[in-house]
Amino acid sequence: TQLLEQSPQFLSIQEGENLTVYCNSSSVFSSLQWYRQEPGEGPVLLVTVVTGGEVKKLKRLTFQFGDARKDSSLHITAAQPGDTGLYLCACRTGTSYGKLTFGQGTILTVHP
Amino acid sequence: EAQVTQNPRYLITVTGKKLTVTCSQNMNHEYMSWYRQDPGLGLRQIYYSMNVEVTDKGDVPEGYKVSRKEKRNFPLILESPSPNQTSLYFCASSTLAGASYEQYFGPGTRLTVT
Repeated sequence: TQLLEQSPQFLSIQEGENLTVYCNSSSVFSSLQWYRQEPGEGPVLLVTVVTGGEVKKLKRLTFQFGDARKDSSLHITAAQPGDTGLYLCACRTGTSYGKLTFGQGTILTVHP
Repeated sequence: EAQVTQNPRYLITVTGKKLTVTCSQNMNHEYMSWYRQDPGLGLRQIYYSMNVEVTDKGDVPEGYKVSRKEKRNFPLILESPSPNQTSLYFCASSTLAGASYEQYFGPGTRLTVT
């Protein structure tokens, strides 16, 4: 059983469309991170959220952390082909700082 | 250039033949970690290290060993590899300072065990 459930698993859209990716758990997170990974490379950190209700923006990307710190979302406005990649959420729970759990990822394809 | 390096990048081996995947970082990071990535499962943490001589298990440590004798290096050892350890492996490092603790990932090692 995955601690973090990401949805959808696959997303195929046209350039210019908006999309949202979700990351959910039954456990409370101490913090949550979103990463983006391109083929043949390691993941790259996009954002870290630590406070319930927090909203962070990174250009066309908006990240939200749920009030109860059990869920998060990533919203992309006017998607571009360069947004194509694997999006992963990751969390730390409890008191073990070093232990990091990833969701299974969302594969996003943006067609020109 | 700040980076995490892994070697080898690709490895094909046979069941039972001991192997080591090296990981090195030049950013003086305290924290280092190993992950494996399999389709549909995301990344799963194998082992992590908070500093020299301090290591702990992640979610999938069975069949793996690690050591942290120097701050910059964190090798992953498979004493007796099996086909179910065929996977893409990533090493990562981060500082423990600040709230972001951004992890920097290596380029990955694709391991095939036949």
